[in-house]
Amino acid sequence: EAGVVQSPRYKIIEKKQPVAFWCNPISGHNTLYWYRQNLGQGPELLIRYENEEAVDDSQLPKDRFSAERLKGVDSTLKIQPAELGDSAVYLCASNSGLGMNTEAFFGQGTRLTVV
Amino acid sequence: KQEVTQIPAALSVPEGENLVLNCSFTDSAIYNLQWFRQDPGKGLTSLLLIQSSQREQTSGRLNASLDKSSGRSTLYIAASQPGDSATYLCAVRPVGGGNKLTFGTGTQLKVEL
Repeated sequence: EAGVVQSPRYKIIEKKQPVAFWCNPISGHNTLYWYRQNLGQGPELLIRYENEEAVDDSQLPKDRFSAERLKGVDSTLKIQPAELGDSAVYLCASNSGLGMNTEAFFGQGTRLTVV
Repeated sequence: KQEVTQIPAALSVPEGENLVLNCSFTDSAIYNLQWFRQDPGKGLTSLLLIQSSQREQTSGRLNASLDKSSGRSTLYIAASQPGDSATYLCAVRPVGGGNKLTFGTGTQLKVEL
């Protein structure tokens, strides 16, 4: 079974440009997360989806970040415009959503460098 | 607010040595604790998940323990190998935290030949 798939793996953009990341969770997983990981730090949650609904986006910088999960499957995370401080690894994760004791699975991440 | 701390931040050991990585959390109200491995430039690979009602979980050379009341977990790696070199992260799922994980900053492990 395929795990969580993310693309692209790497992205280098100039500041003020837009960028988008894509995530395909494990089949059947209702819960999808986007995390951001700065260098030398643990991941921090940006947004969590339960099916199509964004149920926790309190940490998402809404002035420049947006996300969507159409049809409750794939998700995209967008930054517009990007800033130097947005350079980080963006991780997508999913779990089955069946209770609080399920295991979370992560994708390979997208490493964003803003120059 | 739940805070997760991992010490040491970095660790270097010779091959074959048994080692322990530490994780502590400030609020014992958790559903579970999960240990992950992260290789450079890669995503997170789940190693072990311990439910709040459990004391330990084992997978191969790995053993994770949980003492929820004291807010501590350890990851024991037996007979370490160079291939174990990676960053190890622990994360808790807090009660009332909305089904999300709160991570520590990780321990960077290097196993030398």
